[in-house]
Amino acid sequence: DVKVTQSSRYLVKRTGEKVFLECVQDMDHENMFWYRQDPGLGLRLIYFSYDVKMKEKGDIPEGYSVSREKKERFSLILESASTNQTSMYLCASRRPGSSYNEQFFGPGTRLTVL
Amino acid sequence: GQQLNQSPQSMFIQEGEDVSMNCTSSSIFNTWLWYKQEPGEGPVLLIALYKAGELTSNGRLTAQFGITRKDSFLNISASIPSDVGIYFCAGLLSTGKLIFGQGTTLQVKP
Repeated sequence: DVKVTQSSRYLVKRTGEKVFLECVQDMDHENMFWYRQDPGLGLRLIYFSYDVKMKEKGDIPEGYSVSREKKERFSLILESASTNQTSMYLCASRRPGSSYNEQFFGPGTRLTVL
Repeated sequence: GQQLNQSPQSMFIQEGEDVSMNCTSSSIFNTWLWYKQEPGEGPVLLIALYKAGELTSNGRLTAQFGITRKDSFLNISASIPSDVGIYFCAGLLSTGKLIFGQGTTLQVKP
């Protein structure tokens, strides 16, 4: 059974803090993704990674960075959290070239920045 | 950037009713996906569509890939309370990136 886990379900941080969101997948997938989800806006891609040590900017990368040191782990970093980064953050992984092309999602981290 | 327009934004229906929602795009996609997100969980894939004109069913769910490859439809027949959630359409790019619609929030009254 495929599994994507995220380090926290709920997180409360203060403005200016450095925030780490961790994502781990146990499916040996090459591709991993970070999205944020806001009401009425759907899921928007922040960053993605095709493989270890690789990263690509998504549609809304400003204020975020990522790290992919190991294949199973993809970290999202908020260098200096701001209130407009209060959101639900979703991690996903995918095996490229698979017949199903599906992205598997974690349960999400709801981040509140005060 | 590319966008998908999903409608309706929300629906509040009676148990047993049928539901229809759709997605349109200004761009062509070769794959359309429909996901469901239940409260407190991440999205889960319901149906994947790979060919223009394709009609695919998964239980009470039926989805179609539009002939123009710029739209897709999802129908849910005889809704039940556990159908509650947010339904997302997504178009798959050749890079492996997904472009998501804004979501349709479905509430079912028993």
